[in-house]
Amino acid sequence: GENVEQHPSTLSVQEGDSAVIKCTYSDSASNYFPWYKQELGKRPQLIIDIRSNVGEKKDQRIAVTLNKTAKHFSLHITETQPEDSAVYFCAASRYSSASKIIFGSGTRLSIRP
Amino acid sequence: ETGVTQTPRHLVMGMTNKKSLKCEQHLGHNAMYWYKQSAKKPLELMFVYSLEERVENNSVPSRFSPECPNSSHLFLHLHTLQPEDSALYLCASSPDHNRAGNTIYFGEGSWLTVV
Repeated sequence: GENVEQHPSTLSVQEGDSAVIKCTYSDSASNYFPWYKQELGKRPQLIIDIRSNVGEKKDQRIAVTLNKTAKHFSLHITETQPEDSAVYFCAASRYSSASKIIFGSGTRLSIRP
Repeated sequence: ETGVTQTPRHLVMGMTNKKSLKCEQHLGHNAMYWYKQSAKKPLELMFVYSLEERVENNSVPSRFSPECPNSSHLFLHLHTLQPEDSALYLCASSPDHNRAGNTIYFGEGSWLTVV
């Protein structure tokens, strides 16, 4: 079946450094790629998304890049802060169906002071 | 934020018990979802409802029984569960299950422990 692989499963970075989380997907028809952040004991929340007609999208310290040919997409967080500590999930779906969204297994990001 | 609310937040039940999880969304969305979140595993979609009609059932065992009486409420009835069913159960909603680029809004989840 279709799947999304996410790496690394855990990531620890020094405060102020950058963090990168990578995902690959198998369904070549996927064209919508959201990222969710889940803080400890909280709900997953959408932080950024990208559609297949765009190669990169940025929102303040967060950016997402997409390589459709390689079926890779990545989340980049710059100037990391303690509040960035959370579990991050990537996901992929076809534009037409939210119910077909496939999530990655998550990356636990820890920011060291 | 009270867009999607779930009760109870924590539930401990025996394998022979019958219990229910409740979800309510105040966002005016048409689609509602149940997800299972286990440690170190991807979020697993269990059920999808669109305007009270079940549109997706991802091979979920019959000991999980969903109910959607209206577009704002979703239940998950639990009966004769197994210890491996212990997990965080997340309810979610979106404007439409079949429209482009839907954002899925999650509830806080119900922590279920089966003993």
